[in-house]
Amino acid sequence: EIVLTQSPGTLSMSPGERATLSCRASQSVRSTYLAWYQQKPGQAPRLLIYSASNRATGVPDRFSGSGSGTDFTLAISRLEPEDFAVYYCQHYGSSLFTFGPGTKVDFK
Amino acid sequence: QVHLQESGPGLVEPSQTLSLTCDVFGASISSGTHYWSWIRQPAGKGLEWIGRDHPQGITNYNPSLKSRVTISVDTSKNQVSLTLKSVTAADTAMYYCARDRYLDWGDAFDIWGHGTMVTVSS
Repeated sequence: EIVLTQSPGTLSMSPGERATLSCRASQSVRSTYLAWYQQKPGQAPRLLIYSASNRATGVPDRFSGSGSGTDFTLAISRLEPEDFAVYYCQHYGSSLFTFGPGTKVDFK
Repeated sequence: QVHLQESGPGLVEPSQTLSLTCDVFGASISSGTHYWSWIRQPAGKGLEWIGRDHPQGITNYNPSLKSRVTISVDTSKNQVSLTLKSVTAADTAMYYCARDRYLDWGDAFDIWGHGTMVTVSS
């Protein structure tokens, strides 16, 4: 089973800053099956990025995904107030989905 | 516009069976272009995938729950159901249904319901 580790656990930022979130897999995975989600309090997760680097429909271009193998990154170029949330990475492989523990982006 | 709506009892007694339903609006499950999953999240914690079904009868489950869970799609009602047996307090969580874009988006969950909260307590 693939285990996903996200770092940092919490990222304290200010609006306008660039945020970089990391997702590391316990073994090499196909980037096709790596996704990122945003979750705000009291809401369901929202898909941001699929296949490591493709933005989902309606996702602002300040969000970008990259990476391959075991190391993947979600970057938010300039944080907007609505971007303060928890972010999860997710992998699919061998008929099993796993999620990382999440990174919380909060106000500095 | 596609949306999903979960429903079910908010309170289940320990050792009983939890049953939830997800109604799908704006898309036809019978098209076979998506899998349909259940995912849960205990309060303040992370996401756990429970399992998924496809109208062609292909079902996958999280090994940690496989012995207790059944997920099935009903194409006549355009619904996805979840049954979880022998529940304990550890099954207390928000339960989400989600659409899985396996054909073109690498099995990402592109549509989620709002979720339904289930508490296991006597």
